[in-house]
Amino acid sequence: QSALTQPASVSGSPGQSITISCTGTSSDVGGYNYVSWYQQHPGKAPKLMIYDVTDRPSGVSNRFSGSKSGNTASLTISGLQAEDEADYYCSSYTSSSTLVFGGGTKLTVL
Amino acid sequence: QLQLQESGPGLVKPSETLSLTCTVSGGSVSSSTYYWGWIRQPPGKGLEWIGNIYYSGTTYQNPSLRSRVTISIDTSNNQFSLKLSSVTAADTAVYYCARHLDGRKRGLDYWGQGTLVTVSS
Repeated sequence: QSALTQPASVSGSPGQSITISCTGTSSDVGGYNYVSWYQQHPGKAPKLMIYDVTDRPSGVSNRFSGSKSGNTASLTISGLQAEDEADYYCSSYTSSSTLVFGGGTKLTVL
Repeated sequence: QLQLQESGPGLVKPSETLSLTCTVSGGSVSSSTYYWGWIRQPPGKGLEWIGNIYYSGTTYQNPSLRSRVTISIDTSNNQFSLKLSSVTAADTAVYYCARHLDGRKRGLDYWGQGTLVTVSS
């Protein structure tokens, strides 16, 4: 299975909003509402930020939001803060009954 | 609070079998609600899903690893395990165990801290 496509890096200034895209196919992102997003700080385990395309786990800031259009899902972070600087990964359920991750995006807060 | 902890050798020789165990506390692997998964991350690279398992023993695996992967569950000890055979240097990675949100199709909400496994002679 091929990894989902994410931009290698994005950046933004404190207070701004950024969006990270995650592009797949009709066999994964486009075919199911089972896209998740994870935040990973260096040396730490990933943390679930968004699941089922748009839902936030308890305790995750409402500055994080998710959406999907066709085969592309997106994570938007509004009101950027220094602590948001991290790697972000998307994942999707697939028609092969597996899970596939994106290649990851490094977010830099300028 | 649910906690997951990976354990196993940190160094494995090429061609041998990597074996890891994930011990779950604060919850039960016997729950009919959840699937339990394995994910790995080579140094400096992205996440790769390895597979998952249900309390009944039903498993799903990454097609690229399927021929070498065995995932099993031990409900009496509240653990699940990963075996990866015929390892090479490309299998060097941090290995994580995690829990799927209810239903195997959904995201992974609880993760272990990860354990680095190095394949080297």
